Parts: sequence; C-alpha cells; structure tokens
Amino acid sequence: QSVLTQPPSASGTPGQRVTISCSGSSSNIGSNTVNWYQQLPGTAPKLLIYSNNQRPSGVPDRFSGSKSGTSASLAISGLQSEDEADYYCAAWDDSLNGHWVFGGGTKLTVL
Amino acid sequence: EVQLVESGGGLVQPGGSLRLSCAASGFTFSSYEMNWVRQAPGKGLEWVSYISSSGSTIYYADSVKGRFTISRDNAKNSLYLQMNSLRAEDTAVYYCARQAERIAAAGDFDYWGQGTLVTVSS
Repeated sequence: QSVLTQPPSASGTPGQRVTISCSGSSSNIGSNTVNWYQQLPGTAPKLLIYSNNQRPSGVPDRFSGSKSGTSASLAISGLQSEDEADYYCAAWDDSLNGHWVFGGGTKLTVL
Repeated sequence: EVQLVESGGGLVQPGGSLRLSCAASGFTFSSYEMNWVRQAPGKGLEWVSYISSSGSTIYYADSVKGRFTISRDNAKNSLYLQMNSLRAEDTAVYYCARQAERIAAAGDFDYWGQGTLVTVSS
C-alpha cells in the first residue's frame, strides 16, 4: 500500500487531454513539493515535473503539474502514442525522521 | 554528461548479502545528495535510502532499516548499498538516483542509473 494514492490506470486517444491525480496527507504533499516521474517500458524512471509544476529542460510543455492542499495532478495535453508509460508522483514526507514516498503508479494507455 | 552506472546485482540466497555500487560521472559527485530506489518485478517504485553529500545524514525506509547500509566515497565518485539478511521481498531492480537541490523545495531525483537486478531466491 503506497503512501501516495494514484489511480492504477488512465487512458486517452491521441490529441486528448488526460489528468492523473495523486493524493497524500499533511506530512507529505501538504507540506512539501510534488515531483512526477515517467517510466517508459523497460527503462529507468525519468524526471518529468519537479517542485509541483516545473518542467526540466527537454520535457515538452504538453506536460504540466499542479498542487492544491494534500493533492496534486499531472496533466498531459495533446496526447501522443509515445506518452504511453507509467507515471509516478513523489514527495518528501516529514514524518518518521523524514523519507521519500511514492505513489503506486498510473499506467497510461494511448488508445 | 551525467552518468550513473549501478553494478553488483545478482542471485543470492535468502539470508545472504550483496553490495551494490553506483559509479557517478559528469558532475561534482561530492556536492549532491544521493538515493537508492527499488522496483520489484511488475511493481511500483519504492524509495530505499538517502545519504547527504558529506555522508553525515542518512535515512532508510522501514522495510530495510537494520539490514541495509548506504555509504559513499566522494574520492571515488561512488555510492554503495550494503544489503544483509536478504529476503525474497527484496527482489527488485535497484536504481541509484541523484537528488537535485531546489530552492524552497525538498528536491527531486533528476538523474537515474539504468538499474541492477537483485534476485533473492534459493
């Protein structure tokens, strides 16, 4: 059972906009920034969004992040076939001397 | 170019030990906090351990506390994970990840290695 809660799956057709939610608590998302990682099949995770809504260099602006209270969301607009991947949210948790926590991951299927 | 290359994975019996290494290049290793993250087959990501840039601050996930030891050698640009008393549930791909320092934020894992597979089985 992951500390951060994500839907196990999401889907959309090319060109559509999809959102993936991430729910936490006051000790993690409520008090720290949220990061999102993309993991393409058979590869290592890649940083997609950091500090709630910042995109690293090279990440298309089709990807955006937001946070409100103890929840966060990742939005992907203009969905493309190459966006089919697993997406994970993560945040620092201030409880128990501090530790990183991840969501269980959301598998995005492009129909 | 930032590179993180893990090694040391393999097949080990329950109760056994293994030492993972992560060789870093392309950046000033001694300036960055580092982490180990694992992924069991077909499962999600699980954070394992954190070490500060100097090695003076260390955190562990409850699932590995008392069994795993993280360390680093800044002179050798290397990160390590000593894993003892291994269990079947420790079977996973283990990634080392660099932690970026961000203003007014806890940071994030901006670079990841390709991972090394640890299989705990008799």
